[in-house]
Amino acid sequence: DAKTTQPPSMDCAEGRAANLPCNHSTISGNEYVYWYRQIHSQGPQYIIHGLKNNETNEMASLIITEDRKSSTLILPHATLRDTAVYYCIVRVALQGAQKLVFGQGTRLTINP
Amino acid sequence: NAGVTQTPKFQVLKTGQSMTLQCAQDMNHNSMYWYRQDPGMGLRLIYYSASEGTTDKGEVPNGYNVSRLNKREFSLRLESAAPSQTSVYFCASSEIWTSPNEQFFGPGTRLTVL
Repeated sequence: DAKTTQPPSMDCAEGRAANLPCNHSTISGNEYVYWYRQIHSQGPQYIIHGLKNNETNEMASLIITEDRKSSTLILPHATLRDTAVYYCIVRVALQGAQKLVFGQGTRLTINP
Repeated sequence: NAGVTQTPKFQVLKTGQSMTLQCAQDMNHNSMYWYRQDPGMGLRLIYYSASEGTTDKGEVPNGYNVSRLNKREFSLRLESAAPSQTSVYFCASSEIWTSPNEQFFGPGTRLTVL
């Protein structure tokens, strides 16, 4: 299973872009990068995923480097409600189910 | 459409007691999962069910049993609770055959074993 490395914590000012890095240097060619977040001990929430192209949805953008060894989640205009723990996960498929391996994530604090 | 529901929300047990955590989903998903989260840590997979009628061990299965009762329901049983099982338990479901294959999580059950 590919492992991920994230900074334990980050701060960002409200209204600015929050850029959360993730290193996954051992990722294999058919593994996707997924991002989830967990707000204040609620259940995690899916944000975005990608294979090798950059992706954007209504919540965030995902930038994956050309060698796929790292990625960055971008929250373009962070709000106080974006304060959460963000998990970068490399998906391991297992017999039809999706085994997600959660690290400790990055605790993002949005400051007013 | 309630998504993933879990009962109870909170529970306190004494060492050696047994209990069952209930989970149900109304999204017609094939796969369901049980995770635990200890303070300051990420989630760890206990058991999962790829489809109705199948269950498999995850990363930390010792001390737990599961039952996939039907497509909607997946329960987690602690036969003889231990203080080390004090944790927050999350149930999740997913549909592997549709993109983006994300997992939907319930609100969690906060369990304390004294």
